[in-house]
Amino acid sequence: EPEVTQTPSHQVTQMGQEVILRCVPISNHLYFYWYRQILGQKVEFLVSFYNNEISEKSEIFDDQFSVERPDGSNFTLKIRSTKLEDSAMYFCASRTDRGLMGYTFGSGTRLTVV
Amino acid sequence: AQKVTQAQTEISVVEKEDVTLDCVYETRDTTYYLFWYKQPPSGELVFLIRRNSFDEQNEISGRYSWNFQKSTSSFNFTITASQVVDSAVYFCALNNAGNMLTFGGGTRLMVKP
Repeated sequence: EPEVTQTPSHQVTQMGQEVILRCVPISNHLYFYWYRQILGQKVEFLVSFYNNEISEKSEIFDDQFSVERPDGSNFTLKIRSTKLEDSAMYFCASRTDRGLMGYTFGSGTRLTVV
Repeated sequence: AQKVTQAQTEISVVEKEDVTLDCVYETRDTTYYLFWYKQPPSGELVFLIRRNSFDEQNEISGRYSWNFQKSTSSFNFTITASQVVDSAVYFCALNNAGNMLTFGGGTRLMVKP
């Protein structure tokens, strides 16, 4: 079964450093998402991306965050200057253009900011 | 605005007991989708079910069953004859046919042998 692949599975970074989280969505999917889950809390929407631009973003997704689809297969989330409170599990998801069929999550990247 | 409430933060049962996880949602839309995900200790989100708002038929899949009631805005999940491997956090989520999923706070289920 097709999968959404996220790398790395765990990343440790120092406060103030830039970090890039990578995702390879399912190949025929057109909508791409990032979600965040702070430890022990619920999963929260960050941003959606369609047709090479952001289609929706939450208030969490401030100027420190950016997304990109640099080469037609990868979908990245960049955090410019990490803070301790950015420590969380980050999930990438993708779906087709047919309603919500195939809304698939990756296995997540656990980001630890020290 | 959309909201999903999972009032049970933690449930503990003994193996072979049946357990129901509650989910209540709020939305102004007439077209929407409801989901359940399982999050085992390894952290990934495992898709369990998707339901659209026009399909109120209850569904059974093995030991899992779901009860969707629009009249009470609920989409409850029952595990019959629970097993230790069912121990996980379970999330209910809502989408209004737009982009984002709105998740509930999750219910941690502990099944003891």
